[in-house]
Amino acid sequence: DTAVSQTPKYLVTQMGNDKSIKCEQNLGHDTMYWYKQDSKKFLKIMFSYNNKELIINETVPNRFSPKSPDKAHLNLHINSLELGDSAVYFCASSPISGLYNEQFFGPGTRLTVL
Amino acid sequence: DAKTTQPTSMDCAEGRAANLPCNHSTISGNEYVYWYRQIHSQGPQYIIHGLKNNETNEMASLIITEDRKSSTLILPHATLRDTAVYYCIVRVSSNQGGKLIFGQGTELSVKP
Repeated sequence: DTAVSQTPKYLVTQMGNDKSIKCEQNLGHDTMYWYKQDSKKFLKIMFSYNNKELIINETVPNRFSPKSPDKAHLNLHINSLELGDSAVYFCASSPISGLYNEQFFGPGTRLTVL
Repeated sequence: DAKTTQPTSMDCAEGRAANLPCNHSTISGNEYVYWYRQIHSQGPQYIIHGLKNNETNEMASLIITEDRKSSTLILPHATLRDTAVYYCIVRVSSNQGGKLIFGQGTELSVKP
């Protein structure tokens, strides 16, 4: 019944490792997003995909690579993890890119880099 | 997208109306006002949006001033579960891929 789901919910890893976070939406939406919420609670968009095509890349380091195998999934792969990558990552989806439709957010993945 | 200004925090008694103000004095004619909230340890949740007319749904009411330079989100009968950070966001209806730009928001505490 979950609309936007993310796995894992918690991720603890060492600096330098490579990790992935998965996101799936069962709402039939065309657009998916990744947001990052840092320790100061500021939420900032990272990427947006529409029908598997990248449409927003907010000057995120190349170590972050989103992958959209189909419209329902948008995964986030992070290479060479750094301490500053520790944050909560939220996936979201919306029906149509760019229009005034609401965005539905997942529960978040708390990433801790040691 | 226009910048918004909100009070950092507010308190509200349970059962009373919570009125959350937002200033967006540089809003453009084609920009909508959106409100989202984030309950602790959860993802943001859409509440309501509007262009220039007042709007109401099952969650809240949105009052936009005639000059559109400010707005107020009203939770008519606040409950403890409404304790959250409330974000006021302005954006055009067809901007770059639908990104939301979140500010610091207002931390609303509903007290018994």
